[in-house]
Amino acid sequence: SQTIHQWPATLVQPVGSPLSLECTVEGTSNPNLYWYRQAAGRGLQLLFYSVGIGQISSEVPQNLSASRPQDRQFILSSKKLLLSDSGFYLCAWSPGTPGSYTFGSGTRLTVV
Amino acid sequence: RKEVEQDPGPFNVPEGATVAFNCTYSNSASQSFFWYRQDCRKEPKLLMSVYSSGNEDGRFTAQLNRASQYISLLIRDSKLSDSATYLCVVPLYGGSQGNLIFGKGTKLSVKP
Repeated sequence: SQTIHQWPATLVQPVGSPLSLECTVEGTSNPNLYWYRQAAGRGLQLLFYSVGIGQISSEVPQNLSASRPQDRQFILSSKKLLLSDSGFYLCAWSPGTPGSYTFGSGTRLTVV
Repeated sequence: RKEVEQDPGPFNVPEGATVAFNCTYSNSASQSFFWYRQDCRKEPKLLMSVYSSGNEDGRFTAQLNRASQYISLLIRDSKLSDSATYLCVVPLYGGSQGNLIFGKGTKLSVKP
């Protein structure tokens, strides 16, 4: 069966520090991968998606970047965090069928 | 009209009650729709899919009204365990690969 792993679960980082969140998927190949952010009191916002190795699309301009070095690995990064980067970051995968997303357990990031 | 709009609630209902949530969407070309459930501080999980006029799964019924561009979720015989936030989700066709637009969610609280 397919599983998705995301870590760390919580993270407190100072403003200006770098960020690296990792997401891996098991039990499937060539998944579509997504990074979403959920800020307090707001809906899920799509940040990046990837349909294959090295293929990254950004949905909104921001202080973050994403990479997909391997088929089942998706990384979210920042060189310098801002206070506004705080939120609940969720990685998700889908087999390509719209709607059938499986989310990781999320990373709750607090920038102080 | 916003892409996906939901009543944020909260809906406070007693156990055993029937409760319904509505969701309106702006993209008339959307063909499929989804309800996700998100527990507090957890990741969203797929609850139901709606591909035609409606779908029923036990106590849960999802209905689609294409003419008016809204979908609804009906929960019968509410349980304490139904307390969660329910997210209305619409795929963004014509753009990204299977990307989803999430509503901000409707919070349900079922009381004893």
